[in-house]
Amino acid sequence: DTEVTQTPKHLVMGMTNKKSLKCEQHMGHRAMYWYKQKAKKPPELMFVYSYEKLSINESVPSRFSPECPNSSLLNLHLHALQPEDSALYLCASSQAVRSTYEQYFGPGTRLTVT
Amino acid sequence: LAKTTQPISMDSYEGQEVNITCSHNNIATNDYITWYQQFPSQGPRFIIQGYKTKVTNEVASLFIPADRKSSTLSLPRVSLSDTAVYYCLVGDPTTSGTYKYIFGTGTRLKVLA
Repeated sequence: DTEVTQTPKHLVMGMTNKKSLKCEQHMGHRAMYWYKQKAKKPPELMFVYSYEKLSINESVPSRFSPECPNSSLLNLHLHALQPEDSALYLCASSQAVRSTYEQYFGPGTRLTVT
Repeated sequence: LAKTTQPISMDSYEGQEVNITCSHNNIATNDYITWYQQFPSQGPRFIIQGYKTKVTNEVASLFIPADRKSSTLSLPRVSLSDTAVYYCLVGDPTTSGTYKYIFGTGTRLKVLA
């Protein structure tokens, strides 16, 4: 199974809502990532988890809060978002955090903040 | 910080070979170069990866010159289904020993019948 799944596929939320994005992989990968992608732009790295520990936070605002409950799951908790946070949120995983390892991406969650 | 640049867009006809170049002037000594394909509203999909010289798989070839400051993705005999955005990806090692991943600016390939 080389699949990374993400739920929900689409999410519309108001600026005062709290919601969570979920990501799951069963490839035994020990690195998991969150990326944000705006229209016609490349994915931008937000967070990296290595062996369930946060290893990189790319100066992401605190209204985005990642969580890695176990080696297969990755969550992104959202609170008090702004309309400019509307984007495609991609989850990825790889064997480890090294450039020699291919990243497997999920289909993404299309987030709209109203 | 690694910075990767690519041509914004390219057009090609079915059956032609397409070459897309990525410039990564600050690539680290141990870093690999990876290329991904992305269709609208989907996650990127791995195409090929290499460190130096030439790598070939069933869908593409990757050419990396000796100085490794650029790389060229070669797609032989493209078809309409190859219309997509193509990204190169390099890692930017941090002081803590981990990697940050920097996608290139992306090249929109349009294949015409």
